[in-house]
Amino acid sequence: DAMVIQNPRYQVTQFGKPVTLSCSQTLNHNVMYWYQQKSSQAPKLLFHYYDKDFNNEADTPDNFQSRRPNTSFCFLDIRSPGLGDAAMYLCATSSGLRGINTEAFFGQGTRLTVV
Amino acid sequence: DAKTTQPTSMDCAEGRAANLPCNHSTISGNEYVYWYRQIHSQGPQYIIHGLKNNETNEMASLIITEDRKSSTLILPHATLRDTAVYYCIVRTVEAAGNKLTFGGGTRVLVKP
Repeated sequence: DAMVIQNPRYQVTQFGKPVTLSCSQTLNHNVMYWYQQKSSQAPKLLFHYYDKDFNNEADTPDNFQSRRPNTSFCFLDIRSPGLGDAAMYLCATSSGLRGINTEAFFGQGTRLTVV
Repeated sequence: DAKTTQPTSMDCAEGRAANLPCNHSTISGNEYVYWYRQIHSQGPQYIIHGLKNNETNEMASLIITEDRKSSTLILPHATLRDTAVYYCIVRTVEAAGNKLTFGGGTRVLVKP
């Protein structure tokens, strides 16, 4: 059974029209991550939550925002998508126990197309 | 997190062992070595991780040099389904949670 679920798998949005991608987890993990992966590139970390604490990467554009209303759900909001934001968006979770290295579990990703 | 260096690509014959090298010469004492792989159009999949001892699980073996400046992931009997991009990552525990930063990865093609 899928443990990190991303919906939808494919999303088409119009240039400049706000779009929200969703991620849910059944693992009760503290940490949730959002990555952006462009074609033929490695995943790039945008931000992550440790419980309710939000941690933004320094080079993540302001156009990208995130919400985590509870442990299970995390959303990625793109306020004004540009053509350059077309990518696969990956959500991941890990238990995040301080001082303990644990593996991260990834969802299947949402492929965003901007038209 | 320390930077890793991996070959861009490598081919492997089906049924043979695949040895994937990774250099992490700036690794610090509290950083673990993680390996993930990503099959086309899927999310990355955890393979194995270690600190300084060699590790083995049902998927692979991880050999870490004594000075911890490099490591090798071994797929003992590669199959066509092992064709993927393999990422070597060094990861530390930070106060704000465990960040996982991907480098370039090695594109592995398993050939019949």
